Amino acid sequence: GENVEQHPSTLSVQEGDSAVIKCTYSDSASNYFPWYKQELGKGPQLIIDIRSNVGEKKDQRIAVTLNKTAKHFSLHITETQPEDSAVYFCAASITDYKLSFGAGTTVTVRA
Amino acid sequence: DAGVIQSPRHEVTEMGQEVTLRCKPISGHNSLFWYRQTMMRGLELLIYFNNNVPIDDSGMPEDRFSAKMPNASFSTLKIQPSEPRDSAVYFCASNRQGLNTEAFFGQGTRLTVV
Repeated sequence: GENVEQHPSTLSVQEGDSAVIKCTYSDSASNYFPWYKQELGKGPQLIIDIRSNVGEKKDQRIAVTLNKTAKHFSLHITETQPEDSAVYFCAASITDYKLSFGAGTTVTVRA
Repeated sequence: DAGVIQSPRHEVTEMGQEVTLRCKPISGHNSLFWYRQTMMRGLELLIYFNNNVPIDDSGMPEDRFSAKMPNASFSTLKIQPSEPRDSAVYFCASNRQGLNTEAFFGQGTRLTVV
């Protein structure tokens, strides 16, 4: 099955700086790559996603890039704010429903 | 919309007891997922329903686990008998069609089996 690795496991950044989280996947047939944000005591929430026919996607301060050749994708958060502190999960999907999640990155934004 | 509603939010039970977790998906969504989250294994898909029919239950860990979806607005995940290693946060999620579209997660049920 699909194996998704995510790095780093923890990330501490100064408010206003950028944060980058990287994921690799194993199955070249994966075609859908969402990113979820999970705040304490809540369920994961989709923040951005990208499909295999697109190399980059941006939504305000959040961007995701995909390198299909290298089988890796990254989340970039610019101008970080305290409310960006959370656990972020990457995921990859081969089928139309089965997401394989990374282990998560705990992001802490220091004021 | 109230989102995906799960109950209870917290459950503490003794080993050997039956536990039932409940989920109400978002109205109009025809796909429902049960996930389990632990520190060791992260987020794991347990079972996926489409139009109330179980499509993929390969993630259900053992026969002690069972899930039902009697109608489009309700699903249950049952563990009988429960064991300490079942302690985790269980999430229900729903979406439309299940076709790589956003999955909306509930707030989860934190289960502790002592």
